[in-house]
Amino acid sequence: DTGVSQDPRHKITKRGQNVTFRCDPISEHNRLYWYRQTLGQGPEFLTYFQNEAQLEKSRLLSDRFSAERPKGSFSTLEIQRTEQGDSAMYLCASSLLEKLFFGSGTQLSVL
Amino acid sequence: KQEVTQIPAALSVPEGENLVLNCSFTDSAIYNLQWFRQDPGKGLTSLLLIQSSQREQTSGRLNASLDKSSGRSTLYIAASQPGDSATYLCAVNAGGTSYGKLTFGQGTILTVHP
Repeated sequence: DTGVSQDPRHKITKRGQNVTFRCDPISEHNRLYWYRQTLGQGPEFLTYFQNEAQLEKSRLLSDRFSAERPKGSFSTLEIQRTEQGDSAMYLCASSLLEKLFFGSGTQLSVL
Repeated sequence: KQEVTQIPAALSVPEGENLVLNCSFTDSAIYNLQWFRQDPGKGLTSLLLIQSSQREQTSGRLNASLDKSSGRSTLYIAASQPGDSATYLCAVNAGGTSYGKLTFGQGTILTVHP
């Protein structure tokens, strides 16, 4: 049973650089979600796909953030011109019904 | 705007104790509520999901209840073990056009010492 896979696990970058994260959902799951979590807080919703359609985006997702899910399979989350405030754990989840299955996350540190 | 609050923020108990974690939410128009477990530096594992029409769900030593009208849920852990040490998060799903959007509490950090 392969769960939700995220790559990379850790990313250290300098302010102003672009970064891209990848998420591979559980194969039969048609829904995919991105969340962001900072230390000591619960995850915050960023965006949600059903198949390849991006159905909802949070106001947290500024124009420096873009997410794609080509062909309704894996997804990428890109952050352009990173800022120190972008430092967080970026979590991906997928679902077929209501129960969400989360990956282990990508920890981003912006120096 | 939905807000979810968890009390206490941290809890330390000796092994074997029964314990209760609390979750409250401000908007009772929810579709379901989920309890998750998160180990340090890891993702979230779903423990229990309660539909808005249900009052409780049980899985092993875990029991979650839901009182939608008062905006409260509790997670009861029986006979706690050191392996239960983790952060426990509750999350509500509004459903409808916001189906994919969970609103999380800030979590309760549980430590069970031998």
